[in-house]
Amino acid sequence: SQTIHQWPATLVQPVGSPLSLECTVEGTSNPNLYWYRQAAGRGLQLLFYSVGIGQISSEVPQNLSASRPQDRQFILSSKKLLLSDSGFYLCAWSGQGGNNEQFFGPGTRLTVL
Amino acid sequence: GQQVMQIPQYQHVQEGEDFTTYCNSSTTLSNIQWYKQRPGGHPVFLIQLVKSGEVKKQKRLTFQFGEAKKNSSLHITATQTTDVGTYFCAIKRSNTGKLIFGQGTTLQVKP
Repeated sequence: SQTIHQWPATLVQPVGSPLSLECTVEGTSNPNLYWYRQAAGRGLQLLFYSVGIGQISSEVPQNLSASRPQDRQFILSSKKLLLSDSGFYLCAWSGQGGNNEQFFGPGTRLTVL
Repeated sequence: GQQVMQIPQYQHVQEGEDFTTYCNSSTTLSNIQWYKQRPGGHPVFLIQLVKSGEVKKQKRLTFQFGEAKKNSSLHITATQTTDVGTYFCAIKRSNTGKLIFGQGTTLQVKP
């Protein structure tokens, strides 16, 4: 069966520090991968989308970047965190093709102080 | 761009009462998905509706897709405290695998 992992689960970082969040998927090949951010009590904002290794689509201009060095690995990074980067970061995967549902990882709760 | 409006934003009910959340789009949809996110948790897929006028049930949850495929609803009969969480609808962005999520309806159930 497929599983999706994210780490760390929680993170407290000072403003200006770098960030690296990792997401890995098991049990499937060539998934679509997604990074979302969810502010407290708010909806899901799609940050990045990837259909394959090295293929990243950015949804909104921001202080973050994403990379997909392997088929089932998706990394969210920042060189210098801002206070506004605080939030709940969720990685998700879906199968290739039209109507497939998305499966979310457990998320990383990031607090920037 | 494509959007989906979800109402209400919050709903507080007494245990045993019914609950409904609605999603509306200005454009005709190919399908609509529903997710549930428990407090502190991550969204979990509940169901996908594809056909015009489709109605699907999961125990006390009833999902409907409008005849014009522009709106959908999730109805919970006789809520329980385990129903607490935020319910999101999501629509597929044209010609991509990306989803556009509604803002969610947060349900609180008083025991």
